[in-house]
Amino acid sequence: EIVLTQSPGTLSLSPGERATLSCRASETIHVNDLAWYRQKPGQAPGLLLYSTYRRAAGIPNRFSGTGSGTDFTLIISRLEPEDFAVYYCQHYGSSLTFGPGTRVDMK
Amino acid sequence: QVRLQESGPGLVKPSETLSLTCTVSGDSVTSGSYWGWVRQPPGKGLEWIATIHQTGKTYYNPSLKSRVTISMDTSNDQFSLSLTSVTAADTAVYFCASDIRSSWFFSWGQGTLVTVSS
Repeated sequence: EIVLTQSPGTLSLSPGERATLSCRASETIHVNDLAWYRQKPGQAPGLLLYSTYRRAAGIPNRFSGTGSGTDFTLIISRLEPEDFAVYYCQHYGSSLTFGPGTRVDMK
Repeated sequence: QVRLQESGPGLVKPSETLSLTCTVSGDSVTSGSYWGWVRQPPGKGLEWIATIHQTGKTYYNPSLKSRVTISMDTSNDQFSLSLTSVTAADTAVYFCASDIRSSWFFSWGQGTLVTVSS
């Protein structure tokens, strides 16, 4: 089973700053099989990106994704107040697995 | 736009069976989408439990497979989760979710907290 690792565990930034979040897989995965979610406090997760870089419906273009092989990145170009949340990467293969999450806190 | 609503007991005794239902509106469980369950223990991360398709095909998390059944009620546009022999480790917020693909979930319910305690 593929294991996802996310770093950093917590990112402390200010509104308007750029956030770079990492997701590393224990073995090579296909770019089509990697997604990202944002979970705001007290809410269900919301799909941000799928197939590594494709934005889900309604997601603003300040969210972008890159990566291949084992290393994937979510970039938030300018943090808005609603972006202070926890972010999860997720892989789909023989099973569906989530990374442990990165918390983006307001500095 | 599909809407999902979880329902079921908020408290289950250890060793008993946890049963939850997700009611679908704005779509049909026979529409061709995939319907699933994800849980989140308090203060922790997300864990996928199971997914079902209208064809009856089911997918299970290997770590939970021996205790989990996912099923569908097409007449009521609902799908359900059954988790047997629960312990305190099964205490979590349980979300139902869906997508047109089996790979991820776009639509989510608000979640329901299930506590396992005597």
